[in-house]
Amino acid sequence: DQQVKQNSPSLSVQEGRISILNCDYTNSMFDYFLWYKKYPAEGPTFLISISSIKDKNEDGRFTVFLNKSAKHLSLHIVPSQPGDSAVYFCAASGNYGQNFVFGPGTRLSVLP
Amino acid sequence: SQTIHQWPATLVQPVGSPLSLECTVEGTSNPNLYWYRQAAGRGLQLLFYSVGIGQISSEVPQNLSASRPQDRQFILSSKKLLLSDSGFYLCAWTPTFSRRRVFGQGTRLTVV
Repeated sequence: DQQVKQNSPSLSVQEGRISILNCDYTNSMFDYFLWYKKYPAEGPTFLISISSIKDKNEDGRFTVFLNKSAKHLSLHIVPSQPGDSAVYFCAASGNYGQNFVFGPGTRLSVLP
Repeated sequence: SQTIHQWPATLVQPVGSPLSLECTVEGTSNPNLYWYRQAAGRGLQLLFYSVGIGQISSEVPQNLSASRPQDRQFILSSKKLLLSDSGFYLCAWTPTFSRRRVFGQGTRLTVV
């Protein structure tokens, strides 16, 4: 049973346009959500997070939106750059971090 | 500063040989430590976690084991590798007062 889903295995976007990566979760006990970025042969690096008490968090070109009623979150990257090409993992946490689940990832390709 | 080190970066081992991957964390004490695996085209699967010396919890029954001989050292082992053990192995820890996972650089294991 996948508690965190990323239904798009891959996404291609033109440089300068917006990238939107989606994530859905099933466990209503999740209260903290994170996005990680991963380059090949490297460990994932933390990108941005959001608590369930908020519906938006912004950090530079990256914005995460949370829709609790729909159990859905999305990551917006504006403007997209070629260096953003990587695999993006959505993660959800609950129970004070003891339950921490990753989605399967979405491979983003930003085309110059 | 707090850092995590994982080695080796790549490893090619024959089927039936033993395995030992090592992970150490610096700049903190009594960290929660984790081993994850990313199989080809798949997400991050939690294998083991440890909340203290000698305390290991296994999430997935398999051909692998973990040990924590010292506070900041976490070791992933196998007595006899299988072809299916090939993958990208990641060590991670959770900084104090944080709900993130911080990852090492990873080890690419190929069993031949």
